[in-house]
Amino acid sequence: AQSVTQLDSQVPVFEEAPVELRCNYSSSVSVYLFWYVQYPNQGLQLLLKYLSGSTLVESINGFEAEFNKSQTSFHLRKPSVHISDTAEYFCAVSDLGTDKLIFGTGTRLQVFP
Amino acid sequence: GAVVSQHPSWVICKSGTSVKIECRSLDFQATTMFWYRQFPKQSLMLMATSNEGSKATYEQGVEKDKFLINHASLTLSTLTVTSAHPEDSSFYICSARDTSGRSGNTIYFGEGSWLTVV
Repeated sequence: AQSVTQLDSQVPVFEEAPVELRCNYSSSVSVYLFWYVQYPNQGLQLLLKYLSGSTLVESINGFEAEFNKSQTSFHLRKPSVHISDTAEYFCAVSDLGTDKLIFGTGTRLQVFP
Repeated sequence: GAVVSQHPSWVICKSGTSVKIECRSLDFQATTMFWYRQFPKQSLMLMATSNEGSKATYEQGVEKDKFLINHASLTLSTLTVTSAHPEDSSFYICSARDTSGRSGNTIYFGEGSWLTVV
């Protein structure tokens, strides 16, 4: 069965510092990988996704994630965070051709001034 | 852009009563919607797949008679928690895929609904 592990429940960082949110998955088949962000009192929003092709995917707000098949990882990174990046971040996986998402437990990114 | 909306955002009900949560796709049609629940500090767990005009497909371990799902139109799915008990208190969130082609088949999530059973 598929599973997603987000090792860090909380990541506190200072503004303009780099950050990495870790995500590992287990699956015996090819998968799609996603990062979702949830700002306070809002729904989940898709941040970026890996479906195929280049293993490095980027979002419009400076985040990037790299699919590493050998390490079954899809870590999320940003070289310089802002206060506005404070949110809950969820990593998710789905089998090819399905809409069923398996989520990690989430990582709370807290950016301090 | 496409939006999925849930109502209510917060609900408190007495043990033994039933409560209904609505999930609406506001500017696209969704033949399929998904219902998740999340316990504190745990993952979002898929409960069921809601299919317009047919029965929902429930994940293993989810009680069909407990969590009634109705997808009567292409823009509305409802989740009814029947005879609610305190252990049903949780965060319920729905999602829908926009297959109209405008957003690259993106899955959109609602804001979620907090249910507290007292």
